[in-house]
Amino acid sequence: QVTLKESGPGMLQPSKTLSLTCSFSGFSLSTSGMVVSWIRQPSGKSLEWLAAIDWDGDKYYNPSLKSRLTVSKDTSNTQVFLKITSVDIADTATYYCVAGFPFAYWGQGTLVTVSS
Amino acid sequence: EIVLTQSPTTIAASPGEKVTITCRASSSVSYMYWYQQKSGASPKLWIYDTSKLASGVPNRFSGSGSGTSYSLTINTMETEDAATYYCQQWSSTPPTFGSGTKLEIK
Repeated sequence: QVTLKESGPGMLQPSKTLSLTCSFSGFSLSTSGMVVSWIRQPSGKSLEWLAAIDWDGDKYYNPSLKSRLTVSKDTSNTQVFLKITSVDIADTATYYCVAGFPFAYWGQGTLVTVSS
Repeated sequence: EIVLTQSPTTIAASPGEKVTITCRASSSVSYMYWYQQKSGASPKLWIYDTSKLASGVPNRFSGSGSGTSYSLTINTMETEDAATYYCQQWSSTPPTFGSGTKLEIK
């Protein structure tokens, strides 16, 4: 059974760096073809793909946010991380960790609020 | 990036009614994907590779289309189908989502 769970700070101030962790089980990120993405959704709005990292360690970023994003994974291939620098109010959203493509397995999401 | 435009934005249907949601892409895509999201829950993969139903999806759902025009159809609406549906492409990076269609029960 594939499960993913996101964790984050809940709330942070503008201009800070947001650090998110995705802990997963039920699959191995070292399996050929596997990919884990980060997708966010502001309340009441649509979904925005942010970044992905694949089984080979290749990284993919949304060009609109690329300068602020860093995706990485741990050496045991059981966690994926996302850092977003210089956050502002527009980064307030629920952040999802998603495995596979198509986006078959979703975490429950973690709400991040950017507020002073 | 490829922009996906869904229509209608909101639709209300009666049980038993046929429902069609349309997704138009700003450039041609090879496949379309659809996700169902109910209030307070994570999205679920609903249709993949344009017309294949994800595991557990009732066969009253179907997907079709090609190029820049795709659709999701519910043959006979049921109350449990009330949700927001999003189309999505990854024919080019970044993958993008439509703005969503909220389907309500009349």
